[in-house]
Amino acid sequence: GNSVTQMEGPVTLSEEAFLTINCTYTATGYPSLFWYVQYPGEGLQLLLKATKADDKGSNKGFEATYRKETTSFHLEKGSVQVSDSAVYFCALTDAGGTSYGKLTFGQGTILTVHP
Amino acid sequence: KAGVTQTPRYLIKTRGQQVTLSCSPISGHRSVSWYQQTPGQGLQFLFEYFSETQRNKGNFPGRFSGRQFSNSRSEMNVSTLELGDSALYLCASSLEVGPTDTQYFGPGTRLTVL
Repeated sequence: GNSVTQMEGPVTLSEEAFLTINCTYTATGYPSLFWYVQYPGEGLQLLLKATKADDKGSNKGFEATYRKETTSFHLEKGSVQVSDSAVYFCALTDAGGTSYGKLTFGQGTILTVHP
Repeated sequence: KAGVTQTPRYLIKTRGQQVTLSCSPISGHRSVSWYQQTPGQGLQFLFEYFSETQRNKGNFPGRFSGRQFSNSRSEMNVSTLELGDSALYLCASSLEVGPTDTQYFGPGTRLTVL
């Protein structure tokens, strides 16, 4: 079955540091890949997505590139802010016709940014 | 455009009771998916509805059920509650269901079973 593996957290950084959160996946076919962010007490918000190999998703300074050869979708940001403190989830949807509406999530990575 | 809304936001129930959670999707969205979030198991897919039909179901016992109405609003029901059902239940909607579609999440319903 499909699976997503994220780097172990929590991750603690100082403001303006460089961020990388690793994500690798196992899936049949050609999945779409997503990063969602969850702030305390809230639901999930889409951060960015990529739907085919070599696509780069970007939003709010965050970027991730769909690497089919390494089955990876690592999240990066050049300079983090305190407001980026949240839980980040990597996820995929299967292109298969039997997987309607199903996102498969990684376990989440807690990011804390200190001033 | 209003986002996905879920009611109630918080619920406290006792073991053996049943509970119904409600989700109103973004206007125009026809697909609604439900997820359970717990510290131990993370985010797990419950089921998905499209045009009042359940098209996909996760690996949960039959105590978990749902339905979708003609206006795309959805409800999920959990019968004979167990302590392990304590979780954040998230609803997500999308315009249509394809592998590239984005799911937009509501704030969730926090269920506590005592």
